[in-house]
Amino acid sequence: GQNIDQPTEMTATEGAIVQINCTYQTSGFNGLFWYQQHAGEAPTFLSYNVLDGLEEKGRFSSFLSRSKGYSYLLLKELQMKDSASYLCAPTGYGGATNKLIFGTGTLLAVQP
Amino acid sequence: DAGVIQSPRHEVTEMGQEVTLRCKPISGHNSLFWYRQTMMRGLELLIYFNNNVPIDDSGMPEDRFSAKMPNASFSTLKIQPSEPRDSAVYFCASSLGGSMTDTQYFGPGTRLTVL
Repeated sequence: GQNIDQPTEMTATEGAIVQINCTYQTSGFNGLFWYQQHAGEAPTFLSYNVLDGLEEKGRFSSFLSRSKGYSYLLLKELQMKDSASYLCAPTGYGGATNKLIFGTGTLLAVQP
Repeated sequence: DAGVIQSPRHEVTEMGQEVTLRCKPISGHNSLFWYRQTMMRGLELLIYFNNNVPIDDSGMPEDRFSAKMPNASFSTLKIQPSEPRDSAVYFCASSLGGSMTDTQYFGPGTRLTVL
C-alpha cells in the first residue's frame, strides 16, 4: 500500500556506515517513522521526520525529502547488534489519523 | 514503567477453534492498534481504536476476526473459527493520542499457530 519501497536485504561490515532507502507515495503524506525490529521481537521506535532534512540521533540519522517522496536511515559505526529489520512507515494517509502503513522492511546483516 | 502487555505469548490451536488474544496498553495511552505480521505480507494493520472507539477496521481480513475495547486498559482480538492461514505473530501497540505524530509502542506479540 502507498507504494512503499525499500530494499529487501542489505549486508554491511562492523564499523562501517550503511544507508537504507525508502520511497513512498507523496499524496496525503504527513510524516515518516523508522522502526527497528530484531528477530523474534517487537518493532521499536527509532525516528520520526516531518520536515525536510536530516535528523541526527547518536549513531542513527534519518533524512526526509517531502517533495521527492524519499527517506533514508543512516547507521554509523555499525555494531553486530544492529543486525535487524528496519521498517519504514509513512503516515497521514486517509486523513488526520495516526494510522501507519509499514513497508516490508529491510533486513540488515552486519558481518565481522 | 510497564510497556504494552500481551497474552498469551504463544498459542497453538487446532483449526476451527476460537482464539482470543489480549492486550493491555500503556497506562494513559488513548490509541490502540492490532497488527498481524507474516513473512509473506509483513506488518499489517488490522484495526485501531481511539478512546476505546474503533476508528478503522478496514484491515480486518474477514468476519472471522473481531476486536473489542471495553475500557481504556484492555482490548481483545478474537478469531472464530481459526484457520491455518491465520498463523502469524499478532502485535498490539498503543500511542499517547490520536495524532499522526504520536509514536506507537509495541507489545511483545502473540505467536499464533493454527494446525
